[in-house]
Amino acid sequence: EVHLLQTGGGLGRPGGSLRLSCAASGFTFRTYVMAWVRQAPGKGLEWVAVIGGNGDGAQYADSVKGRFTISRDNSRNTLYLQMDILRVDDTAIYYCALVAGMGYFDHWGHGARVTVSS
Amino acid sequence: DIVMTQSPDSLAVSLGERATISCKSSQSVLYNSNNKNYLAWYQQKPGQPPKLLIYWASTRESGVPDRFSGSGSGTYFTLTINSLQAADVAIYYCQQYSATPWTFGQGTKVEIK
Repeated sequence: EVHLLQTGGGLGRPGGSLRLSCAASGFTFRTYVMAWVRQAPGKGLEWVAVIGGNGDGAQYADSVKGRFTISRDNSRNTLYLQMDILRVDDTAIYYCALVAGMGYFDHWGHGARVTVSS
Repeated sequence: DIVMTQSPDSLAVSLGERATISCKSSQSVLYNSNNKNYLAWYQQKPGQPPKLLIYWASTRESGVPDRFSGSGSGTYFTLTINSLQAADVAIYYCQQYSATPWTFGQGTKVEIK
């Protein structure tokens, strides 16, 4: 059974940094594309970033490009999102997700809440 | 970017009746090379992550009840919930994955009338 256990998040200051982690189990992690999707309070879903199974092919939404970095450690079956130069509008629940097919999300983590406030 | 627009924003349906949600994309998500529509549907209940219902516009995810069905092609898609159950109260999102940035519709809230 696929399981995505998220840790990290919490309160960050504008201009500050936070890191999210997503520990995967139940599937061959290194062979799957992984992504981050976020949801601002009371709002819809926004894709944030994606990374290939080998750690290649990282792509980002324009809203986070140059500030966030997606990475993975296949030896630890863990996905990361390094969030730098945080802004108030980065406040959201961040979900890690397993990417199936050519870009739909067939398994999701439970989410990690990130609040950016001074 | 491909803009996904859902309608309506919310709807109330009686138990046992049909709910229909529309999703329009600002450009076609159909790939002629494989004749596949790069369109997925998700269900999200309060306090939970989204759950995949439909991919390739009409393929039901394993374990999803057959009262959920997806249809459409190109730029216009529909999610139909036949015989609405209380457990179906949720927000439903469409998503295109034909090109990054992958984008979602704004969501449609389904309630019981």
